[in-house]
Amino acid sequence: GAGVSQSPSNKVTEKGKDVELRCDPISGHTALYWYRQSLGQGLEFLIYFQGNSAPDKSGLPSDRFSAERTGGSVSTLTIQRTQQEDSAVYLCASSSLVNTGYEQYFGPGTRLTVT
Amino acid sequence: DAKTTQPPSMDCAEGRAANLPCNHSTISGNEYVYWYRQIHSQGPQYIIHGLKNNETNEMASLIITEDRKSSTLILPHATLRDTAVYYCIVRVSNAGKSTFGDGTTLTVKP
Repeated sequence: GAGVSQSPSNKVTEKGKDVELRCDPISGHTALYWYRQSLGQGLEFLIYFQGNSAPDKSGLPSDRFSAERTGGSVSTLTIQRTQQEDSAVYLCASSSLVNTGYEQYFGPGTRLTVT
Repeated sequence: DAKTTQPPSMDCAEGRAANLPCNHSTISGNEYVYWYRQIHSQGPQYIIHGLKNNETNEMASLIITEDRKSSTLILPHATLRDTAVYYCIVRVSNAGKSTFGDGTTLTVKP
């Protein structure tokens, strides 16, 4: 079946502009995660949604970052007033209550470049 | 989540078994061991997970020591396409975030 999809695949923006990144999780998956990965680095957790519970925002690096998940499905990560240090690959993952181990399935990522 | 320790890099000959170790000496009783891999320029891919019993699927086998303080991921017949960064993670199954360390860069050589 269809996996996690993300759009756009690449985004180049000027410093100070706002950007929106989209994630479409696997249908029926109740949990959705955002991570980012800077060049040559490991994954950094940003935010986690689980059903109707309040999201875990503990990984968001600043108040310029926000995310929402509408209707328990699609999620949008918004970065306001982008800075050059925001340049990274932003990865979305989803997982299911049905899977006993909550293994995460990742999308291909959005490569954000702030110039 | 418990911290994991993995060697930064390993080589393996094509067709041979690749054995990737992971130490997780502070693992809690309700934490699972998960393995993911990330091939260059792609999102991470789930491989396998386990609690205390050894596990096997179509991709790999996971061997967990009896004290659960370490584990080994085994790729039985490595191919060039298995070249990737392999991440070992321990977490409670329904916990939100996963803490990804630096992983092991496995290079499969012809």
